[in-house]
Amino acid sequence: GAVVSQHPSRVICKSGTSVKIECRSLDFQATTMFWYRQFPKQSLMLMATSNEGSKATYEQGVEKDKFLINHASLTLSTLTVTSAHPEDSSFYICSASRGRVSYNSPLHFGNGTRLTVT
Amino acid sequence: ELKVEQNPLFLSMQEGKNYTIYCNYSTTSDRLYWYRQDPGKSLESLFVLLSNGAVKQEGRLMASLDTKARLSTLHITAAVHDLSATYFCAVDIDDGGATNKLIFGTGTLLAVQP
Repeated sequence: GAVVSQHPSRVICKSGTSVKIECRSLDFQATTMFWYRQFPKQSLMLMATSNEGSKATYEQGVEKDKFLINHASLTLSTLTVTSAHPEDSSFYICSASRGRVSYNSPLHFGNGTRLTVT
Repeated sequence: ELKVEQNPLFLSMQEGKNYTIYCNYSTTSDRLYWYRQDPGKSLESLFVLLSNGAVKQEGRLMASLDTKARLSTLHITAAVHDLSATYFCAVDIDDGGATNKLIFGTGTLLAVQP
């Protein structure tokens, strides 16, 4: 089946630094990637949708200058948390699809990145 | 504002028992997904429901969709410990943007006791 690789799986950084998370589709071309955030014991909150070669579309309430998303190729999207603060500590999950999400083009999820900001 | 609510949020049940998890959503959609998440892990796809009245079954789990009522159910039959996990429904939303997207429910933490 389709594989989405997310790296790193865990990262600890100091407050004020920036962290980059990579999401790669290993065996298919992902025209669309989604970034979710999940707090402990809570649901997944959609942060933004990115289409290859276009600017990401952010959900209401998500700071685009803080969470920089780049989808420069059909196999790679990155999320950069800039000037991280402890409240940014969370589990970040990317997902990818070949196109519009459908039965024939399902979402494939990465394994997530546990970010801890000290 | 779109809401996708699951009920219950936490479910403790004994092995061998049956139970149903409910997923209510507040907007029009005829596509709904169910996922499973183990602690510290990503999501595993369980079911894709694509139309009103759709019913899918896999092992001890059965999912259904009523788009008119904006309700999906995940029924557990004769629960076993291995089913302990968090279950999410996700509603497929097409708001006219470049692509559709999935909005997740609040999640149901299932604990099956021996």
